[in-house]
Amino acid sequence: AQSVTQPDIHITVSEGASLELRCNYSYGATPYLFWYVQSPGQGLQLLLKYFSGDTLVQGIKGFEAEFKRSQSSFNLRKPSVHWSDAAEYFCAVVYNFNKFYFGSGTKLNVKP
Amino acid sequence: GAVVSQHPSRVICKSGTSVKIECRSLDFQATTMFWYRQFPKQSLMLMATSNEGSKATYEQGVEKDKFLINHASLTLSTLTVTSAHPEDSSFYICSSLYGGGGKETQYFGPGTRLLVL
Repeated sequence: AQSVTQPDIHITVSEGASLELRCNYSYGATPYLFWYVQSPGQGLQLLLKYFSGDTLVQGIKGFEAEFKRSQSSFNLRKPSVHWSDAAEYFCAVVYNFNKFYFGSGTKLNVKP
Repeated sequence: GAVVSQHPSRVICKSGTSVKIECRSLDFQATTMFWYRQFPKQSLMLMATSNEGSKATYEQGVEKDKFLINHASLTLSTLTVTSAHPEDSSFYICSSLYGGGGKETQYFGPGTRLLVL
């Protein structure tokens, strides 16, 4: 069965430090991959997406993600975290026509 | 572009009443919209897929008579929680499908917090 795994439930980083949030999927073919961010009490905002082509994808707010087929991963990175990045981050994959599967989310805390 | 709104943002109702939540795609037409439910500290659970001009497709375990979905136009889908009970209290989020050519992306509304007393 298809699945999306975000192994880290909570992550705390210091402001200015680098960040990597993990996302792994299980599927026979290459899915479409997305990262969304959710602030408390808000909807989800699209950070970036991967359909095909260059495996390093740039998104908004200085985020990037790299698709690694050999590891079935699509990890989200940011070189220097800002306090405003504190939120919950969801990885999502599309396996069949437009049906999104979301990971369980990673809550990011940023220490001053 | 690709802005999705929801109304209301918060609603409190008495047990047994019905509540309607609207989801609008403001600057694009969406033949497909989705409704999700999110419990505290949990991920999104897909409830149903709403297709303009046809019946919604519900996920397993979601009662279609309880959660009525109407997608009457290309910019509006509504979710009506009928005879709401306290266990229906949750955060409901809609999304609209944008784009084409196999590269569609979901854009989300800001969510509606429902509290049933």
